[in-house]
Amino acid sequence: DAGVIQSPRHEVTEMGQEVTLRCKPISGHNSLFWYRQTMMRGLELLIYFNNNVPIDDSGMPEDRFSAKMPNASFSTLKIQPSEPRDSAVYFCASRQGAHQETQYFGPGTRLLVL
Amino acid sequence: AQKITQTQPGMFVQEKEAVTLDCTYDTSDPSYGLFWYKQPSSGEMIFLIYQGSYDQQNATEGRYSLNFQKARKSANLVISASQLGDSAMYFCAMTPGSYSTLTFGKGTMLLVSP
Repeated sequence: DAGVIQSPRHEVTEMGQEVTLRCKPISGHNSLFWYRQTMMRGLELLIYFNNNVPIDDSGMPEDRFSAKMPNASFSTLKIQPSEPRDSAVYFCASRQGAHQETQYFGPGTRLLVL
Repeated sequence: AQKITQTQPGMFVQEKEAVTLDCTYDTSDPSYGLFWYKQPSSGEMIFLIYQGSYDQQNATEGRYSLNFQKARKSANLVISASQLGDSAMYFCAMTPGSYSTLTFGKGTMLLVSP
């Protein structure tokens, strides 16, 4: 079975540009999570969807960040405009069922904003 | 609030030896799940093992076992017969019963030497 798919795997952009990260969760999973990993802050949750509905976006840094899940098989995380401090690895994870079920992570997108 | 503490920034072990990675947690929820993930240098997050707060027995998955001491609020990962491929960062994480997302510790870097 295919795992969580993320694209692109690597992204280098200049400050001020729009960046769109994409995620395809595991088929049948009803929850999707976006995390960000940096050396300074470790792994932190950005936003969580359940059945395509955003449940918790308290981790979204600011208005420059937005996330959508138009259907059960696709989600995007957009940064507009991007800043150098947004440089990080962005992970998407998905889960089937209840809150204590395992979250499975995608390979991550390494973002570098110059 | 939930908190995960991993006090060992780094650990060294020789191949074929066992190693224990420490994890303590703090939550007021009576129901919660504890997870360990492995992050090799390639960057992906790999699920290793899960322990539910009401599970009577310690979880095991192949060479991985979780030493769950509920009264002490600890969930240490034990890797038996270490292999060179076990060299990676290891994260302890928790999902409390009232919340759906993972709270991660800062991680422990494990290096396995020949």
